[in-house]
Amino acid sequence: GQSLEQPSEVTAVEGAIVQINCTYQTSGFYGLSWYQQHDGGAPTFLSYNALDGLEETGRFSSFLSRSDSYGYLLLQELQMKDSASYFCAVPSGSARQLTFGSGTQLTVLP
Amino acid sequence: GAGVSQTPSNKVTEKGKYVELRCDPISGHTALYWYRQSLGQGPEFLIYFQGTGAADDSGLPNDRFFAVRPEGSVSTLKIQRTERGDSAVYLCASSLTRGGGTYNEQFFGPGTRLTVL
Repeated sequence: GQSLEQPSEVTAVEGAIVQINCTYQTSGFYGLSWYQQHDGGAPTFLSYNALDGLEETGRFSSFLSRSDSYGYLLLQELQMKDSASYFCAVPSGSARQLTFGSGTQLTVLP
Repeated sequence: GAGVSQTPSNKVTEKGKYVELRCDPISGHTALYWYRQSLGQGPEFLIYFQGTGAADDSGLPNDRFFAVRPEGSVSTLKIQRTERGDSAVYLCASSLTRGGGTYNEQFFGPGTRLTVL
């Protein structure tokens, strides 16, 4: 089976940098995804790492270490609109369905 | 273009009743997934369609749950004899191909919030 661990809550102030960690245990590994979900909204794709290293997309970056079964999402220049839940997820099975962590609730304070 | 849409957005029903939840995927997306999300948790996989066929239904919790996608586009999730424990947000996601291609990107709808009284 698959299991993912991430912190339940993180709080930071506008303009700051925050890192959300994710550790995973999987039988078979294809890559690590990150999704953002605002309250009452749809999960939206942020990033995907199949190989070790850092992927940067604007203010958001994602890192993967396959040897450590570990990844993180880095959010820079935080804005109020970044307040949301962030989920790490791994694709698995013949369907490549996503197994999600429990999510990290990020609160950005003014 | 339009994203994934789901109807209804909210559904309140009584224990024991039958409900249908509808998903309209992005046009041209052959892969369709249903997930269920309980409060404070991540989405959990229910069933996957590739085209018209249910290629993987290993996530369905029991035989009260069933889903169809007769023409390879719209999908309906059907729940019989609803129980209070079925209360959750039911999310649908679609992708061009199985798993979402190179970046494993799945496009989610806003979900149907099901409440069983």
